[in-house]
Amino acid sequence: SAVISQKPSRDICQRGTSLTIQCQVDSQVTMMFWYRQQPGQSLTLIATANQGSEATYESGFVIDKFPISRPNLTFSTLTVSNMSPEDSSIYLCSVEGQGVATEAFFGQGTRLTVV
Amino acid sequence: DAKTTQPPSMDCAEGRAANLPCNHSTISGNEYVYWYRQIHSQGPQYIIHGLKNNETNEMASLIITEDRKSSTLILPHATLRDTAVYYCIVGDYKLSFGAGTTVTVRA
Repeated sequence: SAVISQKPSRDICQRGTSLTIQCQVDSQVTMMFWYRQQPGQSLTLIATANQGSEATYESGFVIDKFPISRPNLTFSTLTVSNMSPEDSSIYLCSVEGQGVATEAFFGQGTRLTVV
Repeated sequence: DAKTTQPPSMDCAEGRAANLPCNHSTISGNEYVYWYRQIHSQGPQYIIHGLKNNETNEMASLIITEDRKSSTLILPHATLRDTAVYYCIVGDYKLSFGAGTTVTVRA
């Protein structure tokens, strides 16, 4: 299993500012994933972050809005840039287990409110 | 696009088995079926996964039809703490979450 810590757990931010969310894993993992969960909705994958390469973004998400860093095998950050109220969501970090077709582990999420 | 279809909600009596259906008619040969649940305000929690054989662990059982076009998650003795949104997902390392089934366990 993997234990994931996300910081901050919640924040209230002014529109036009940026917030960087940190994700720390207690073991080395190849792939890390960032999801967004808008109020009352399901999870949507933002991007996949591999160490040593650029993140791969899903349709509808761009690097300028959601820059991601992956400096090592246990850590990643997601920045929500130039925020608007529409960015108010829960942002979750996830990692894949070891081996083939194993379970994924999720952090508890960062609850972001933009005012 | 989500590749699974689940009922939006279902109720279950505490202590009884909860059977959660999922249709995945377009599943390909190498795609696994995964089940996760999300209890309010928490990150999703893995429950079980399988390829073609039925699987059981300490949390649940997964029954996959022979043609692999549908599956059923069974919670053998539902408790109030099993109230959550349950997601059935098919695929590989990238999880595509649909709307899931909101399961309410009632005393």
